[in-house]
Amino acid sequence: AQRVTQPEKLLSVFKGAPVELKCNYSYSGSPELFWYVQYSRQRLQLLLRHISRESIKGFTADLNKGETSFHLKKPFAQEEDSAMYYCALSSRFSNAGNMLTFGGGTRLMVKP
Amino acid sequence: KAGVTQTPRYLIKTRGQQVTLSCSPISGHRSVSWYQQTPGQGLQFLFEYFSETQRNKGNFPGRFSGRQFSNSRSEMNVSTLELGDSALYLCASSLELGSSYEQYFGPGTRLTVT
Repeated sequence: AQRVTQPEKLLSVFKGAPVELKCNYSYSGSPELFWYVQYSRQRLQLLLRHISRESIKGFTADLNKGETSFHLKKPFAQEEDSAMYYCALSSRFSNAGNMLTFGGGTRLMVKP
Repeated sequence: KAGVTQTPRYLIKTRGQQVTLSCSPISGHRSVSWYQQTPGQGLQFLFEYFSETQRNKGNFPGRFSGRQFSNSRSEMNVSTLELGDSALYLCASSLELGSSYEQYFGPGTRLTVT
C-alpha cells in the first residue's frame, strides 16, 4: 500500500532563511509526486509536480528514488510562503483510475 | 476558465440525516474525485468518477456514495450521518493529459453533524 509521510507538523523559520519541507513515500510502482499548498482561507492548489522539474515561487523539489523522498526546498523564505504544505503521491489503478495519497501536511510559518 | 465549484459551502445536519454535496468540475475535465479532510485523519480519498462511472473507491463505508452526470458534474451522498462524518469534503477535477495526473481542487463543503 502507498504511504506518504511528512515528519514535521510545524516548521518555523525567519524570513530569508532556507526552507526544507520533508516528504518520504512508500510505493511499489513508479511514483508520481506532487506538492500542494493551502494558503489561509484559500483552496488547496498545486505547487509542483516532480515530472516537470520546474521551480514555482522559488520552490524546487527533487525526486530521490533511492531515499524515497521528495523534499521541497526554497533558498530564501518569504513571509508570503506561510501556509500549509501537502506532499501527495498519485497511484494508478489497472482501470486507468487514479487517486492521491496525501501526507499529513506541514505548516510553514515564516517570521519577519 | 472557472475553477472547481462546490455547493453548499457550509452545512449543518443532525445525526441520522442524509446529505448531498455537489461539485462542478473545470470545463473539459471528465474525472472528478472526492476527498474527506479531518484534523485527525487528514486528507483521505473517497472515490473517483470518470464518464459517469465510479472508477475507484477508498476505504469508506457504504453510507458514502456518489454519482456523476453526463456534463461531468458530480454529487456525493452520505446517509445516516454520524458525528464522525463532520469534515471538510473536497472535490477535485482532472484533465488526465497524457501520463500526467493533476488534480484541481474546489473550496470544499464544510459539513457539521450535531
